[in-house]
Amino acid sequence: DIQMTQSPSSLSASVGDRVTITCRASQSISTYLNWYQQKPGKAPKLLIYATSSLQSGVPSRFSGGGSGTDFTLTISSLQPEDFATYYCQQSFSTPPWTFGQGTKVEIK
Amino acid sequence: QVPLQESGPGLVKPSQTLSLTCTVSGGSITSGTYYWSWIRQPAGKGLEWIGRVYTSGSTNFNPSLKSRVTISVDTSKNQFSLELSSVTAADTAVYYCARQTSNWGQPIDYWGQGTLVTVSS
Repeated sequence: DIQMTQSPSSLSASVGDRVTITCRASQSISTYLNWYQQKPGKAPKLLIYATSSLQSGVPSRFSGGGSGTDFTLTISSLQPEDFATYYCQQSFSTPPWTFGQGTKVEIK
Repeated sequence: QVPLQESGPGLVKPSQTLSLTCTVSGGSITSGTYYWSWIRQPAGKGLEWIGRVYTSGSTNFNPSLKSRVTISVDTSKNQFSLELSSVTAADTAVYYCARQTSNWGQPIDYWGQGTLVTVSS
């Protein structure tokens, strides 16, 4: 299985901060990388697919980049509603599709 | 919108079979090119992809669960189902049904609200 490792596991930030989360794959996954946001007690929500494509309805302050094994999710100006846990997920080649362990974004 | 709703017992005894159904509303389960998936999340932990079914009935599974998992689709009812046999406490989790697209990246674009299944005697 392809292992996905996110860093950091958690971070504290203030409203208005620029936040970057990193996801590293154990082997090259081209650009088959998706990002999700999950709030407590809720299902995950798709933010970005195929590394950098913004899902419909998602604010433009979210952006993604990378290729191969190293990827980033950036929130350009953190808003109160962005405090949540973020997961990366790879869908390269054959299943299983695997997720990172999550990055919790907390209020400083 | 493609609402998905999980249903099934919230409590299952060890060694028994966990059975869940996902009902898709707001459109036919056969329209478009989608995979219908199950994902689970133990309390306070990360997400684990269990498997998926296409409307033709073809399936893919997580190898770690493959020997215990069955996923099927009933297009006449607009539903798909999960069965997980020989459950243990380690299978206690919130189970989500979801739709996975065939777009580049095959993202999971719609999720059910999730249902908690506890394995306990």
